[in-house]
Amino acid sequence: IAGITQAPTSQILAAGRRMTLRCTQDMRHNAMYWYRQDLGLGLRLIHYSNTAGTTGKGEVPDGYSVSRANTDDFPLTLASAVPSQTSVYFCASSRDSQETQYFGPGTRLLVL
Amino acid sequence: GQNIDQPTEMTATEGAIVQINCTYQTSGFNGLFWYQQHAGEAPTFLSYNVLDGLEEKGRFSSFLSRSKGYSYLLLKELQMKDSASYLCAIMDSNYQLIWGAGTKLIIKP
Repeated sequence: IAGITQAPTSQILAAGRRMTLRCTQDMRHNAMYWYRQDLGLGLRLIHYSNTAGTTGKGEVPDGYSVSRANTDDFPLTLASAVPSQTSVYFCASSRDSQETQYFGPGTRLLVL
Repeated sequence: GQNIDQPTEMTATEGAIVQINCTYQTSGFNGLFWYQQHAGEAPTFLSYNVLDGLEEKGRFSSFLSRSKGYSYLLLKELQMKDSASYLCAIMDSNYQLIWGAGTKLIIKP
C-alpha cells in the first residue's frame, strides 16, 4: 500500500452500536489526525496523535476515542453511536505536527 | 475567537482566471494552507504560505498578507477538472489546522 488507507469505505450503523473506523499509513509519519466533515462546515478535528503512544483531543472529541499503539495505525472508536455522528470521517497524517497533512479517502458513516 | 471566511460558491468560465479569497482571525499563525477537494473525495494539498507574498505553482498561485489576515488562491487557464471545493486552513499557535467551510468552484464551458 502507499499513503493512507481507511476502512470501511462506508457504513450504516444502528444508534447505540459500537464502531471502530480504521486508518493505516505507510509513510512512517509521526503525526496522525481524525476529522469529521459535515455539509456547510469546515473540517473539524476530533483527535490527534503527534507520535506513537500519545494522543490529544481536538475541537469535537466527545463520543469518540482513539489509540496509537504504533506508528502506522490510528483507529477511531465510537463507543455508542448517535445520529449526530452521521458524517464523513477523514484520517490524515503528516511527517510531524508542523508539516503538511495528507488525507485518506474517508469513511462515510450513517447512524440511524 | 477563531474565524475563517471564504465565499460559499463561485462560478467561472473555462480558460478564464478566478481568485478565491480567504480572510481569517485565529489564535496564532503558523502558516496558511490551500487544499482542493473534488466531490466525494479527500482533500489534496495545493499550497502553503507562511511569509507574505505570492507562491506560484504552475496554474495555481497563492498569496498571503499576514497583517491583513488575508489570502487568495488564483487559478489560471481554468479547466473543467478544476471544478471542486477549495479549502483554506490556518495552522494555529498549537500547530492545529483550523478550516474554512470551503468554496465550491463551478466551471462552465
